Amino acid sequence: GAVVSQHPSWVICKSGTSVKIECRSLDFQATTMFWYRQFPKQSLMLMATSNEGSKATYEQGVEKDKFLINHASLTLSTLTVTSAHPEDSSFYICSAPAGIATYEQYFGPGTRLTVT
Amino acid sequence: QQQVKQSPQSLIVQKGGISIINCAYENTAFDYFPWYQQFPGKGPALLIAIRPDVSEKKEGRFTISFNKSAKQFSLHIMDSQPGDSATYFCAAKGVETSGSRLTFGEGTQLTVNP
Repeated sequence: GAVVSQHPSWVICKSGTSVKIECRSLDFQATTMFWYRQFPKQSLMLMATSNEGSKATYEQGVEKDKFLINHASLTLSTLTVTSAHPEDSSFYICSAPAGIATYEQYFGPGTRLTVT
Repeated sequence: QQQVKQSPQSLIVQKGGISIINCAYENTAFDYFPWYQQFPGKGPALLIAIRPDVSEKKEGRFTISFNKSAKQFSLHIMDSQPGDSATYFCAAKGVETSGSRLTFGEGTQLTVNP
């Protein structure tokens, strides 16, 4: 299957600082990528849809000014958590459809964010 | 709002047994139903998927059964192994949705005892 990578795999930051998480499609191009957050023992919650060359689409209740998304190229999307607070601590996962002709969607390995 | 309901929340099976996880959806406007497997601290991995024009799909020990009239689909894991212990999520993609946006079930934590 298609490979999606994330960097970093884990990060610890202090409250009030910003953190950037990268999501890359390694062997395919992705005009669309999705960002999820997942709390322990819970399902994936879609935060936003990242679109190459245009603004991201945020789900209801997700603060667009706090979670900045930039889809810089067909293989890279970034999520920046601005002015992070302890309640932002979570597991952030990105995903991307493997292509236009398929519905298959592949996930990155996730980024564990801890805000102290 | 489109929803996918998954059961059971947790499941314990003996090695060699059959694990069965069920999902039900309320909206008929779904056209793709994948199952994902997730290990602790890892991202979900696509396991197997089915489209509504097929009633069953089998890949190795994993089988999806799909009942369009009942709006239900299930994952069967045959000859379950301790290595299958993970959290499983069903999902569905809406017909009208572009870019493969998925709606996920709540997840099932499977434990396979040796």
